[in-house]
Amino acid sequence: NAGVTQTPKFQVLKTGQSMTLQCAQDMNHNSMYWYRQDPGMGLRLIYYSASEGTTDKGEVPNGYNVSRLNKREFSLRLESAAPSQTSVYFCASRKESVGENTIYFGEGSWLTVV
Amino acid sequence: QKEVEQNSGPLSVPEGAIASLNCTYSDRGSQSFFWYRQYSGKSPELIMSIYSNGDKEDGRFTAQLNKASQYVSLLIRDSQPSDSATYLCAVRARQLTFGSGTQLTVLP
Repeated sequence: NAGVTQTPKFQVLKTGQSMTLQCAQDMNHNSMYWYRQDPGMGLRLIYYSASEGTTDKGEVPNGYNVSRLNKREFSLRLESAAPSQTSVYFCASRKESVGENTIYFGEGSWLTVV
Repeated sequence: QKEVEQNSGPLSVPEGAIASLNCTYSDRGSQSFFWYRQYSGKSPELIMSIYSNGDKEDGRFTAQLNKASQYVSLLIRDSQPSDSATYLCAVRARQLTFGSGTQLTVLP
């Protein structure tokens, strides 16, 4: 049982390049999330998807796009990377049901934009 | 005002002592409250959840919630060096919002 798997783990981009962070979960969860974590800022929600086919903006969506390809996969795309997007990115999933409130995180993706 | 605020760290306690971590939140409609532990270079892991006023104990950890004061805390009894990590408070209203974290160091 892999849980939440995200790739790549490390990536260096040049300003203006594009890339996609991939995320997949094998727990049959409905909700999936992308967070970024910067020093002293905690985790901030970029986008989330409450179910397959739906996506919504979180606190810091500018510069990002997402795709909920199917129930398992939720990808995050940077169309034109900027140094301000240097961060650690975490994908997460949650089962939406009574009594189930736990968010499960992937291992993180360290992104540096130079 | 931040939606979720945690006491500024870093916090250092000697081994065996009680570590007290505090968190306040601004949205009175918040229903669920969580404490996550995050080791350096790792992802957050859930250690406690609490939904109603009062105390909830799990081993050496006790979460305390006071909705009237919009306050949630985490006590770690008999602190161990392995408890050294950053502790994140998270509060769910419409979405899950995290505080910026408190770095705890337990000194041997």
